[in-house]
Amino acid sequence: EIVMTQSPATLSVSPGERATLSCRASQSVSSNLAWYQQKPGQAPRLLIYGASTRATGIPARFSGSGSGTEFTLTISSLQSEDFAVYYCQQYNNWPLTFGQGTKVEIK
Amino acid sequence: QVQLVQSGAEVKKPGSSVKVSCKASGGTFSSYAISWVRQAPGQGLEWMGGIIPIFGTANYAQKFQGRVTITADESTSTAYMELSSLRSEDTAVYYCARAAPSSPATLWYFDLWGRGTLVTVSS
Repeated sequence: EIVMTQSPATLSVSPGERATLSCRASQSVSSNLAWYQQKPGQAPRLLIYGASTRATGIPARFSGSGSGTEFTLTISSLQSEDFAVYYCQQYNNWPLTFGQGTKVEIK
Repeated sequence: QVQLVQSGAEVKKPGSSVKVSCKASGGTFSSYAISWVRQAPGQGLEWMGGIIPIFGTANYAQKFQGRVTITADESTSTAYMELSSLRSEDTAVYYCARAAPSSPATLWYFDLWGRGTLVTVSS
């Protein structure tokens, strides 16, 4: 099983600032990496797939990069609605696995 | 607009089984994989398994093998997840999620999610 490790666990950021979230895979997943946003009481929402392709309707302030084992989600200028938990997920191998999440909170 | 509508919350005794449904409304169902992902209180996301309705064969995470059964009924556009031998650690919100059309055929990421079904296991 591929283990996905996200860091940091919590990120405190002021509105308007940049947020950088990391996701590391225990073995290469090529570019088969997705990012999700989850707000309290809601289902996850797909942000990024293929490591860097924004899903439909996702604002351009969200960007993804990386390949192999190291990935980054960047939110260029945090808006109030972006404070949430973010998960990465690999879909290179069975079983599909998620990282443990990074909570982005208001500083 | 396709929506995934899940069945309501359940309270179960340890050792019993639960069956959660996920009905796709407003669009095609059979061509896209449906997976089940659970989230224990305050915890992260855990993939349990998935099925492509048109093929009918499910894949399961090893952790749940033997305890979970995922099925799909094309005639009603409904997927089901049955989990047996319930224990307190199975208390969680269970989500169904549709594989994005751009996903690889057998390895998925998810662009459409149900609202979740809370399953509480308690004596």
